[in-house]
Amino acid sequence: EAGVVQSPRYKIIEKKQPVAFWCNPISGHNTLYWYLQNLGQGPELLIRYENEEAVDDSQLPKDRFSAERLKGVDSTLKIQPAELGDSAVYLCATSSDGRNEQFFGPGTRLTVL
Amino acid sequence: QKEVEQDPGPLSVPEGAIVSLNCTYSNSAFQYFMWYRQYSRKGPELLMYTYSSGNKEDGRFTAQVDKSSKYISLFIRDSQPSDSATYLCAIGGSARQLTFGSGTQLTVLP
Repeated sequence: EAGVVQSPRYKIIEKKQPVAFWCNPISGHNTLYWYLQNLGQGPELLIRYENEEAVDDSQLPKDRFSAERLKGVDSTLKIQPAELGDSAVYLCATSSDGRNEQFFGPGTRLTVL
Repeated sequence: QKEVEQDPGPLSVPEGAIVSLNCTYSNSAFQYFMWYRQYSRKGPELLMYTYSSGNKEDGRFTAQVDKSSKYISLFIRDSQPSDSATYLCAIGGSARQLTFGSGTQLTVLP
């Protein structure tokens, strides 16, 4: 079974530029999470999808962050415009009905200069 | 006060030592208790989970939950250099709504 795929793995951009991250979940996993992980910290939830519906986006900074999960499969997280403080690792995780485990992708490491 | 507190370490132990990792939490409604392991530049992977007080054992790993004290622990017996990683506790009211600790960085020296 293939794991959660994220791309790109690394991204370096100038501040005020837009950036997008992509996540492909494990086949059949209907719940998808985007987390932000700062250095030396644990993951913090940005948004959770159940199929194509965003059921928890209370921690997503909606002035600059947006996300979508078309057809309830792949998901994209976008930042526009990026700020210096957005430098972090962005993790995607997925889980299936009836299972407690969240499976994480390797993350995208964003550096904003 | 954070909902989940975890000693960040770093923790360095000799090979074969018993390791104790701990977290405290503030919300008595939390009932899912998980431990994730994260190697450098990788995503976290689930080690163990439980939703009751008491002990749960899996090989060299034992998870302990004390709901009355709002305190959870992970013990690693006969630690190996391959156990060197950051260990994250994750606690929540459901498996889909977890709050992660800040992680404890563990190094097991050969």
